[in-house]
Amino acid sequence: EPEVTQTPSHQVTQMGQEVILRCVPISNHLYFYWYRQILGQKVEFLVSFYNNEISEKSEIFDDQFSVERPDGSNFTLKIRSTKLEDSAMYFCASSDYGQPQHFGDGTRLSIL
Amino acid sequence: SQELEQSPQSLIVQEGKNLTINCTSSKTLYGLYWYKQKYGEGLIFLMMLQKGGEEKSHEKITAKLDEKKQQSSLHITASQPSHAGIYLCGAPGNYGGATNKLIFGTGTLLAVQP
Repeated sequence: EPEVTQTPSHQVTQMGQEVILRCVPISNHLYFYWYRQILGQKVEFLVSFYNNEISEKSEIFDDQFSVERPDGSNFTLKIRSTKLEDSAMYFCASSDYGQPQHFGDGTRLSIL
Repeated sequence: SQELEQSPQSLIVQEGKNLTINCTSSKTLYGLYWYKQKYGEGLIFLMMLQKGGEEKSHEKITAKLDEKKQQSSLHITASQPSHAGIYLCGAPGNYGGATNKLIFGTGTLLAVQP
């Protein structure tokens, strides 16, 4: 069964450094999402992406965050200058129109 | 903004017992999704409900959306250790279909004792 894959599974980064989280959505899906889950808290929406542009973003998704679909298969989330509070599990998801979102296994981001 | 509250927060049951998890929304639901999460892993899609009164089943798991579309329940029959995990309900954050952002509930941690 097709699945969403995320790399790396765990990323450790110094505060202030840039980090790029990568995702390969399910191949025929058109809608892409990033969510995050801080330890012990709810899964929170960050951004949705369709037709090569952001369709919606949350208050969390400030100027330090950006997303890109650099080619036909990858979908990336970049954090320009990481903060301690960015430490979380980041999930990528994809969906087809009117269908449920399917999630990857996540990238655990640890900021030191 | 919409809030989803799940109850109970955690649940320990003996293998073979039935259980129910509830998800209550502060606003009318325009769809409700159930996901399962194992610790340190991603969310696995279980079921999607869209119409008031709708009920769906998959293996030993049944999910219902009430007629008023403000509450959903997930029922597991004859629980097994493989059912253990965190169950999350999610709803579209805006009126419309599954292409919208999902708002998630607080989660219910289920442990099944052999």
